[in-house]
Amino acid sequence: RKEVEQDPGPFNVPEGATVAFNCTYSNSASQSFFWYRQDCRKEPKLLMSVYSSGNEDGRFTAQLNRASQYISLLIRDSKLSDSATYLCGGTSYGKLTFGQGTILTVHP
Amino acid sequence: EAGVVQSPRYKIIEKKQPVAFWCNPISGHNTLYWYLQNLGQGPELLIRYENEEAVDDSQLPKDRFSAERLKGVDSTLKIQPAELGDSAVYLCASSLDWAGEQYFGPGTRLTVT
Repeated sequence: RKEVEQDPGPFNVPEGATVAFNCTYSNSASQSFFWYRQDCRKEPKLLMSVYSSGNEDGRFTAQLNRASQYISLLIRDSKLSDSATYLCGGTSYGKLTFGQGTILTVHP
Repeated sequence: EAGVVQSPRYKIIEKKQPVAFWCNPISGHNTLYWYLQNLGQGPELLIRYENEEAVDDSQLPKDRFSAERLKGVDSTLKIQPAELGDSAVYLCASSLDWAGEQYFGPGTRLTVT
């Protein structure tokens, strides 16, 4: 079993939709969690950091459930520009482990 | 503020040849990481430096891969000899310290033929 697992998708949603991704982790020692966005042939860019129960930034909300060992990312009012791969990662003693990413396509 | 700089951006070599990648982290960032990313996968850590010390190189294939960060700033990752399976994107990232948020460079796309 991989340490961090994500549904690879793809998720295809219309503009304005709300979409949620889940990410599960197996290492209970994981301390911090991150969501990165990666556009095709580009580097991952930090979207949100999750240190406690959750974080919200505009249309994006991340939630952490330590009991069930999962992190979620909710995107409200999806834009065409949200189309990308979303990577979930968890750190344990400085080592960041990523899931394989979830592909999101927002269509008109 | 300048981001993480990597060069070259693209490299095509024949198998068994050596190759080197260079990374300059964000100014003031003490921790530097090298990752490998295959198509359709998330980045996988190869090595982590705290200043000039390699504190986690457990995933680095030491028979052919080597890395250095001599003055605690720039870093070089080398592969010698390269194999076909080494074709991937090599990403460098940096953070203020081991617990900080990581910021990635644009990566080097390596193709081994």
